[in-house]
Amino acid sequence: EVQLVESGGDLVQPGRSLRLSCAASGFRFDDYAMHWVRQAPGKGPEWVAGISWNSGRVGYADSVQGRFTISRDNAKNSLNLQMNNLRPEDTAFYYCAKDISASIAAGENGMGVWGQGTTVTVSS
Amino acid sequence: QSVLTQPPSASGTPGQRVTMSCSGSSSNIGSNTVNWYQQLPGMAPKLLIYGDNERPSGVPDRFSGSKSGTSASLAISGLQSEDEADYYCAAWDDSLNVYVFGTGTTVTVL
Repeated sequence: EVQLVESGGDLVQPGRSLRLSCAASGFRFDDYAMHWVRQAPGKGPEWVAGISWNSGRVGYADSVQGRFTISRDNAKNSLNLQMNNLRPEDTAFYYCAKDISASIAAGENGMGVWGQGTTVTVSS
Repeated sequence: QSVLTQPPSASGTPGQRVTMSCSGSSSNIGSNTVNWYQQLPGMAPKLLIYGDNERPSGVPDRFSGSKSGTSASLAISGLQSEDEADYYCAAWDDSLNVYVFGTGTTVTVL
């Protein structure tokens, strides 16, 4: 069974850091691009970051560029999101998602499998 | 503000056909494939349509996607109560270099 399990969500103060992780199983992890997508309460999904199968290409939403770093460890089947200088507007449910393609910006990207999500709350 | 625009709501009675649109531009829908996601209350989004009109395994053939130029559409035939959900179109945007989700359409079964 294909499965993605996120962890690391927490309540943090503005300006602090947090690291999210996603454990993947049930598929060949290094064959696919991976993404983080967030959803604030009552809002639609927002793509946060994506990384190609071999980490050769990464991309970020403008809203997190320079503050968040996506990375993957294919040997451990894991995806990470390092979030620095957190802001209240980063408060959201964060999902890990598996692409149907190997690379981001492939023209045929799509998120075929999603995790259950983890909650990040940024508040003083 | 999303670059993919969807009507905020759509509705129909059981058995009816409901369609919803997704309007974009040459840098997203016009040059990349469109995906559609269904999000049930309290759940993660689920890929419903990929590659403009392909259904992943397990998605009923009541759901169909189409694209023309810089616009795309999702149709639900034989509407069922369990289809009440939010629906989002999405595509990669070559100009912004991001994956963009549409504004979303809430489908209500009357």
